[in-house]
Amino acid sequence: DSGVTQTPKHLITATGQRVTLRCSPRSGDLSVYWYQQSLDQGLQFLIQYYNGEERAKGNILERFSAQQFPDLHSELNLSSLELGDSALYFCASSVRGLNTEAFFGQGTRLTVV
Amino acid sequence: AQSVTQPDIHITVSEGASLELRCNYSYGATPYLFWYVQSPGQGLQLLLKYFSGDTLVQGIKGFEAEFKRSQSSFNLRKPSVHWSDAAEYFCAVGAQSGGGADGLTFGKGTHLIIQP
Repeated sequence: DSGVTQTPKHLITATGQRVTLRCSPRSGDLSVYWYQQSLDQGLQFLIQYYNGEERAKGNILERFSAQQFPDLHSELNLSSLELGDSALYFCASSVRGLNTEAFFGQGTRLTVV
Repeated sequence: AQSVTQPDIHITVSEGASLELRCNYSYGATPYLFWYVQSPGQGLQLLLKYFSGDTLVQGIKGFEAEFKRSQSSFNLRKPSVHWSDAAEYFCAVGAQSGGGADGLTFGKGTHLIIQP
């Protein structure tokens, strides 16, 4: 158990819908990262938050957004969903940045039908 | 931008045999390097990491990796594999920015199959 909690574990929704994925980082970790894992694209970095503020953006679509709340949990919002958004979405946390170890959650498997 | 290449999509090894998984990276400066393992239906678990110092790093589960700057490589090794090592292995590189503000760039992964 990495100490990073992601909910829900599985999500099935229809095209055009909006979903919210939730991540609770390990106690004491200030950085939260979101990654998308799909068969064709592999593991891709989406976005990072540090202590409530957006720190870095990767290959995140404009239809996707995220935030980190004062209690440090984070949410990833995916809207206008398309079939191609079906993937495993991981959250990772670390104490600060990459010079400290990042721990990954179990992921949320999103299926868009 | 950094990139990671794992040239072997699948590798089959007999139980008890030695293992080496290859990883080559592209990055302009000294990177942070990681190896993660993912078992089916699970998240990623960190095996080991290289930040600086000794180029041979030891990790969990008996794994080690060697950073070779001249070859831009960070290959993962294990002297004797166990059936429980069957999994997907990912090499990743991170930029050494001051605030650690960049996410990891992952390779496509190597699927390890263990033969009895």
